Amino acid sequence: DTEVTQTPKHLVMGMTNKKSLKCEQHMGHRAMYWYKQKAKKPPELMFVYSYEKLSINESVPSRFSPECPNSSLLNLHLHALQPEDSALYLCASSQGAGPYGYTFGSGTRLTVV
Amino acid sequence: GEDVEQSLFLSVREGDSSVINCTYTDSSSTYLYWYKQEPGAGLQLLTYIFSNMDMKQDQRLTVLLNKKDKHLSLRIADTQTGDSAIYFCAEGKLIFGSGTRLLVRP
Repeated sequence: DTEVTQTPKHLVMGMTNKKSLKCEQHMGHRAMYWYKQKAKKPPELMFVYSYEKLSINESVPSRFSPECPNSSLLNLHLHALQPEDSALYLCASSQGAGPYGYTFGSGTRLTVV
Repeated sequence: GEDVEQSLFLSVREGDSSVINCTYTDSSSTYLYWYKQEPGAGLQLLTYIFSNMDMKQDQRLTVLLNKKDKHLSLRIADTQTGDSAIYFCAEGKLIFGSGTRLLVRP
């Protein structure tokens, strides 16, 4: 299995809803990432988990809450989002240091209404 | 801080070569990467180059690195319509360029 799987592919939520994005990989990668990508922009790093511990939080608002239950799973819990949070949310994983780059999931397209 | 810049748009005719350019500021990056993103999809790693190399060839792709000028380029030979996508360079694994939209005309 050489993929990063993200669910759901599309999500529409109201500003008072609570929802979660899920990401799963079975490549044995020990680093996992959440990115936010607005239309026609590059991905922006949100969070990095290394060995299931949060190692980087790029000053993301608390309405986004990451969770790494185990080495294969990464969640992003969403609560009280704003319309400007509508974007493509990408999960990625990597083996760590070395020329491996990241393996990206296909993303969850989130619309906040 | 670190910065990665790319031209925004490139249009080529099918069968021609495409050259996508990137400049970066962080000279400590060990590896530099090129990613491809098709509409509605995630990013796909195309190729990478180690910072002590100046060229790497991988089938139709050629990466050139000028470390002195901090300039990276991706050349796609015999460009096909399926190559139409956004191409991102990235350094340090965490900083992406703005992306270059490649349009291949039949």
